Amino acid sequence: QVQLQESGPGLVKPSETLSLTCAVSGYSMSSGYYWGWIRQPPGKGLEWIGSISHSGSTYYKPSLKSRVTIFVDTSKNQFSLQLNSMTAADTAVYYCVRDGGYGTHDSWGQGTLVTVSS
Amino acid sequence: QSALTQPASVSGSPGQSITISCTGTSSDVGGYNYVSWYQQYPGKAPKLLIYDVTKWPSGASNRFSGSKSGNTASLTISGLQAEDEADYYCCSFVRSGSLIFGGGTKLTVL
Repeated sequence: QVQLQESGPGLVKPSETLSLTCAVSGYSMSSGYYWGWIRQPPGKGLEWIGSISHSGSTYYKPSLKSRVTIFVDTSKNQFSLQLNSMTAADTAVYYCVRDGGYGTHDSWGQGTLVTVSS
Repeated sequence: QSALTQPASVSGSPGQSITISCTGTSSDVGGYNYVSWYQQYPGKAPKLLIYDVTKWPSGASNRFSGSKSGNTASLTISGLQAEDEADYYCCSFVRSGSLIFGGGTKLTVL
């Protein structure tokens, strides 16, 4: 059974870059699927950030596209999110997910809270 | 790209059926049969209930069913149980190749 686990800083300063990593176990990422990031501000709804295919094709939310990079390290069976120019509006729980295609997010990490504050 | 429209809250009594709507446009919900539904308990990660409008993932309960008409998708929960009290989100593929979520619906079991 596939398992996903996020890791990264819980606190980021305004204007800095957020870097999160999602370690995947129980499934070889190079075998298929899409791998993505979804966030949820405290008390609010879900927001799709973007995803990457096992072959490296990327898809980003249009309004975040200029600030987001998602990349895969198949040798470590993990993928990462970089979000630059962080502001308080980026404070959220960040989830990494496996996507079977077209939004079929069948596996989720437990989520990691990232707070943007000086 | 605004969020898909869901009612903020719905409620029902045990044993009843309830329906949650998810309204978008012809560029998302209406244009593709790629709508998924998620259940989320407080402090927990969401769980996939329905994908591709009507399909169940392995292990999902068939008390949850999905449908679509025009630009509106719907999730129906039959035989409502106390454990169904949670937040529910729809998600749709968008013409641009991205994905968009609904604002979420809080279900209260009376």
